Amino acid sequence: AQTVTQSQPEMSVQEAETVTLSCTYDTSESDYYLFWYKQPPSRQMILVIRQEAYKQQNATENRFSVNFQKAAKSFSLKISDSQLGDAAMYFCALIQGAQKLVFGQGTRLTINP
Amino acid sequence: DTGVSQDPRHKITKRGQNVTFRCDPISEHNRLYWYRQTLGQGPEFLTYFQNEAQLEKSRLLSDRFSAERPKGSFSTLEIQRTEQGDSAMYLCASSLDPGGNEKLFFGSGTQLSVL
Repeated sequence: AQTVTQSQPEMSVQEAETVTLSCTYDTSESDYYLFWYKQPPSRQMILVIRQEAYKQQNATENRFSVNFQKAAKSFSLKISDSQLGDAAMYFCALIQGAQKLVFGQGTRLTINP
Repeated sequence: DTGVSQDPRHKITKRGQNVTFRCDPISEHNRLYWYRQTLGQGPEFLTYFQNEAQLEKSRLLSDRFSAERPKGSFSTLEIQRTEQGDSAMYLCASSLDPGGNEKLFFGSGTQLSVL
């Protein structure tokens, strides 16, 4: 069975600084995809970034980047130059075999002005 | 708007009543998913469809829950004899398989409150 664990229920960061959110996962497959989703107070789930497990290069999307460590089954999200609009719940998620997406418990990120 | 659409946004019902939610996926997407999310938790998988075929159902989906996608387009999720424990956000998502890069796009959800 696939599992995704986010060990940080809450994180906070000063505006314009950098923050890293942690995620570990477990799967028996070698081919899978990892995601970070953002859920603001509106509760709309928004895709932030995606990583294919077969790619060694870490994905980046503007101020968002990941540190993907396949052997350690770790997938952290780094947000650079944090902005007030980044405040939200962040969920790490895993999908394999074109099946269902499995989510972690989430990390609530607060941005301090 | 070409995103995933869910209706209604909010539903308040009394215990024991039946409720039905609707999801309209992105038009070319052949996969459709239903998730349930309680406050402070990550979404939990309920079921998914490939076109009109329901391919997997979670054990969370008791016999009071039924989902359909009759023509492979929109989907409905019905809960019969609602219980207070059914109170949650019900999220719908869609994706394109193959060729969608496994990306799921979510709707804004239906918030259900059972009194």
